[in-house]
Amino acid sequence: NAGVTQTPKFRVLKTGQSMTLLCAQDMNHEYMYWYRQDPGMGLRLIHYSVGEGTTAKGEVPDGYNVSRLKKQNFLLGLESAAPSQTSVYFCASAPGGEGNTIYFGEGSWLTVV
Amino acid sequence: AQSVTQLDSHVSVSEGTPVLLRCNYSSSYSPSLFWYVQHPNKGLQLLLKYTSAATLVKGINGFEAEFKKSETSFHLTKPSAHMSDAAEYFCVVKGSARQLTFGSGTQLTVLP
Repeated sequence: NAGVTQTPKFRVLKTGQSMTLLCAQDMNHEYMYWYRQDPGMGLRLIHYSVGEGTTAKGEVPDGYNVSRLKKQNFLLGLESAAPSQTSVYFCASAPGGEGNTIYFGEGSWLTVV
Repeated sequence: AQSVTQLDSHVSVSEGTPVLLRCNYSSSYSPSLFWYVQHPNKGLQLLLKYTSAATLVKGINGFEAEFKKSETSFHLTKPSAHMSDAAEYFCVVKGSARQLTFGSGTQLTVLP
């Protein structure tokens, strides 16, 4: 009963390096989201997807790219990491339709030095 | 457009006393509203949700919230705080844009 799984959980990057965060859900959910959490700012939406093959920008998309090639996976990429991208990243998924519960992964701690 | 305002960034209560965490929202549509809790270094756990059914919503661990459309509020309450309730709480609105908007969070401290 995995739910939403994020990998890796912890990562340290040097400025300019690239990396990909993987989010996998086993609940056949239509919607998937990537958020970042910074102190005092709650969670801010980076990108989201309403179905396989679709993606859309959220509130803070700059510096990130995403892909949803398979329904169960939502990848978040950093092409050239910057210290401002040091954050905790949360993936979430939800069934289609209004009012459905959103399920969160346990977070990925990323530090860019 | 939609937004969420959590009126207190920090709340401290004594164990056994009531908890009140305040949330106001704005939305162009009839929203779905949620409260999530986050314990240190953990993910977010759903406490309760409002989806246009009963205005008083009961959640896990003795928490409840009342949706008041006239006040655009969705405050979270618990009659008696427990030490294990110490965490950060987020009010979330989900509107027709199929996006979630989070409040900035309220850190709850429970004093012995």
